[in-house]
Amino acid sequence: KAGVTQTPRYLIKTRGQQVTLSCSPISGHRSVSWYQQTPGQGLQFLFEYFSETQRNKGNFPGRFSGRQFSNSRSEMNVSTLELGDSALYLCASSSNYGYTFGSGTRLTVV
Amino acid sequence: TQLLEQSPQFLSIQEGENLTVYCNSSSVFSSLQWYRQEPGEGPVLLVTVVTGGEVKKLKRLTFQFGDARKDSSLHITAAQPGDTGLYLCAGGGPSTDKLIFGTGTRLQVFP
Repeated sequence: KAGVTQTPRYLIKTRGQQVTLSCSPISGHRSVSWYQQTPGQGLQFLFEYFSETQRNKGNFPGRFSGRQFSNSRSEMNVSTLELGDSALYLCASSSNYGYTFGSGTRLTVV
Repeated sequence: TQLLEQSPQFLSIQEGENLTVYCNSSSVFSSLQWYRQEPGEGPVLLVTVVTGGEVKKLKRLTFQFGDARKDSSLHITAAQPGDTGLYLCAGGGPSTDKLIFGTGTRLQVFP
């Protein structure tokens, strides 16, 4: 059974650019959550999608957006990148037993 | 705002020692999970506890959910270098659909 796949693993972008990250959940899982992890703030919840609908949203500015497709794959987009957006972005698909995380996308903004 | 505070923040011990990590909140959670994260990887679920006072054992790891479902602890017996990593607690419900993560405890076990 394949796990949660996140692409790309590493990304370097310049301030002001935009970026799109992708997440493929475990087959059959319809819920996908996104988290931002930084050394100072820990894991911060971004948003959750279930059956193509955003079910929950964290306290992030509107530059952070996401969507989910009919095959449950999800993307998140960050526009007008800032240096402070440098972080590990984690995607998790969930079942009744808990969250399964991908390996994350390490985004560095220079 | 629901917050989960973990202590200690850092722990550096020798192989064979015992340790306990605490996860505390002023909020009640329906369930509490513990994860371990290694560098460059996502967190991996270790256990889920749902009943106040519940104790679960996973080999040398013992997890306890507080009676009031506001706190939890993780005890490791005879720590090994393979236990090294970032330990995260995470609470779910009843007043939130999302999983709230604790501040994390970074454990280093030296041979």
